[in-house]
Amino acid sequence: EAGVAQSPRYKIIEKRQSVAFWCNPISGHATLYWYQQILGQGPKLLIQFQNNGVVDDSQLPKDRFSAERLKGVDSTLKIQPAKLEDSAVYLCASSLEGLARGYFGPGTRLTVT
Amino acid sequence: EDKVVQSPLSLVVHEGDTVTLNCSYEVTNFRSLLWYKQEKKAPTFLFMLTSSGIEKKSGRLSSILDKKELFSILNITATQTGDSAVYLCAVRSTGNQFYFGTGTSLTVIP
Repeated sequence: EAGVAQSPRYKIIEKRQSVAFWCNPISGHATLYWYQQILGQGPKLLIQFQNNGVVDDSQLPKDRFSAERLKGVDSTLKIQPAKLEDSAVYLCASSLEGLARGYFGPGTRLTVT
Repeated sequence: EDKVVQSPLSLVVHEGDTVTLNCSYEVTNFRSLLWYKQEKKAPTFLFMLTSSGIEKKSGRLSSILDKKELFSILNITATQTGDSAVYLCAVRSTGNQFYFGTGTSLTVIP
């Protein structure tokens, strides 16, 4: 079974630049999550999709972050403009409604200089 | 406010020691509790617990849930250097949301 795919794996940008991350969940998984994990902390939920609808985006900094999930499959997360404090690993995860386990992708490590 | 609290934040032990990691939670509409191991990459799944008192076991790792007292423990016996990692506890709600703790960083010294 193919896992959750993410790209790029690493990205270095300067502050005020824009960046986009891509996630392809496991086939058939209706729920998709984007997490931000700052070094030394647990993952923090940014946004949760159920198919192509947003379930929870309460912790998404909407002035600079946006996410979409077209056709209920792939998803992109964008940051515009980036700040130094956005340096983190961005994890994508997906799950089936009936299963409690979340499957994680390898993550994208973002460094903002 | 829903929250998951893990303790200790970090732990250093010698190979062969036994460790116990703690996870307490306050999450409305609890569905399940999960343990993940995170090395220098994305978290990998260890256990999912839904019922109190039933121990889940995988090799040297075991975990149990107490839904009355709202906590779980993860035990690792005969630790090895390969057990060095951050161990994350997460609670899943019936709304399909995951709430993570900050993790326990375990270092096993040869």
